[in-house]
Amino acid sequence: QVHLQESGPGLLKPSETLSLTCSVSGDSISTFYWSWIRQAPGGGLEWIGYVYFSGSSNSNPSLQSRVTVSVDTSKNQFSLKMTSVTAADTAVYFCARGAPGLYYFDIWGRGTLVTVSS
Amino acid sequence: ETMLTQSPVTLSLSPGERASLSCTASLSFSTNLAWYQQKPGQAPRLLIYDASKRAAGTPVRFSGSGSGSHFTLTISSLEPEDFAVYYCQQRKTFGPGTKVEFK
Repeated sequence: QVHLQESGPGLLKPSETLSLTCSVSGDSISTFYWSWIRQAPGGGLEWIGYVYFSGSSNSNPSLQSRVTVSVDTSKNQFSLKMTSVTAADTAVYFCARGAPGLYYFDIWGRGTLVTVSS
Repeated sequence: ETMLTQSPVTLSLSPGERASLSCTASLSFSTNLAWYQQKPGQAPRLLIYDASKRAAGTPVRFSGSGSGSHFTLTISSLEPEDFAVYYCQQRKTFGPGTKVEFK
């Protein structure tokens, strides 16, 4: 059974860099597209970006200048870095497995809350 | 990028009733639409993909239909565990969600 687990700091100060890792078990990361999706408190879902095992990646144009999604196939993990965070980046961050074309996300991690506060 | 709108925002129903949730896209595309269920404190769960295909474990009371720019998720007879928020998704875009609540 495929399992995704997010990890990383839960509290950041404004202007710091958010770094999260998603560990994949039960499946090789060398298939599918691996995404980060976030949900602000009481809000909807926002796709952040994806990475493929080859290292190719793509991110939401609204966040593109601050976001890097990368993969470490040797550890079966992928990661998110988001620079210059503000309170608006406070959200639950989910990692998810995506079908080719990002037509759907079939496996999700439980999510991790990241709070940005001074 | 496609924008997705969902209606209604809230649907107040009783167990056993039929629920119809709508998702409308600003641009027409084929059938590459997915539906998710989310309960408080949980990650979204994929219910339907390719507009009408049930994901593994999705009960048969859930069905999806539509193509182009209009899509519908139908729950034939609501069970108590179905009261949740439902999102549609087309590639990188999610709809704002419909909350199905107890009447």
